[in-house]
Amino acid sequence: AQSVTQLDSQVPVFEEAPVELRCNYSSSVSVYLFWYVQYPNQGLQLLLKYLSGSTLVKGINGFEAEFNKSQTSFHLRKPSVHISDTAEYFCAVSVWNTGNQFYFGTGTSLTVIP
Amino acid sequence: EAQVTQNPRYLITVTGKKLTVTCSQNMNHEYMSWYRQDPGLGLRQIYYSMNVEVTDKGDVPEGYKVSRKEKRNFPLILESPSPNQTSLYFCASSWPGQGASEAFFGQGTRLTVV
Repeated sequence: AQSVTQLDSQVPVFEEAPVELRCNYSSSVSVYLFWYVQYPNQGLQLLLKYLSGSTLVKGINGFEAEFNKSQTSFHLRKPSVHISDTAEYFCAVSVWNTGNQFYFGTGTSLTVIP
Repeated sequence: EAQVTQNPRYLITVTGKKLTVTCSQNMNHEYMSWYRQDPGLGLRQIYYSMNVEVTDKGDVPEGYKVSRKEKRNFPLILESPSPNQTSLYFCASSWPGQGASEAFFGQGTRLTVV
């Protein structure tokens, strides 16, 4: 079975400071990895995805994530956050041999403090 | 514009009164799914569909039904809603295959059952 763990449920950070949102997954087979962002009263929007190739993935709004296979992690980072980054962030995995079934973490609420 | 459309966005109903939440996508995606989002639990899959007339249970299917008579539509049916089905619901669609496609989400339906 697959599972996704987001280690921090809430992350407060000051504006213009760096941030890292942690994600670990458990799977016995190869996976694809995603980060989604959810702004208040909206659906989920894709931030970035790792399918193969370079382990450092760049996404929208200045976010990036690094896939670490040995540590089964896919942490999300941004060097300098803005007020507009305040949102809920979800890490997700998709397992290649289950069609398109996604497994989501419980989410991390990022609050950027002015 | 490529999108997944859910209706209604907000719904308050009484226990036992049948309701349907509609979902439609315009991207010709074969794979569609329904999730519910609850605080501290992330997104959990209710049902999914690999193609027309092909549906299967996700992780939390009890109390829900779905149908897939056309590729673009995937309605979620609650035959006899109960208060524990109060939640935020999302419909998603994606390409099938080896799990390499991201999921596109609707804006969500906030359901309250009293």
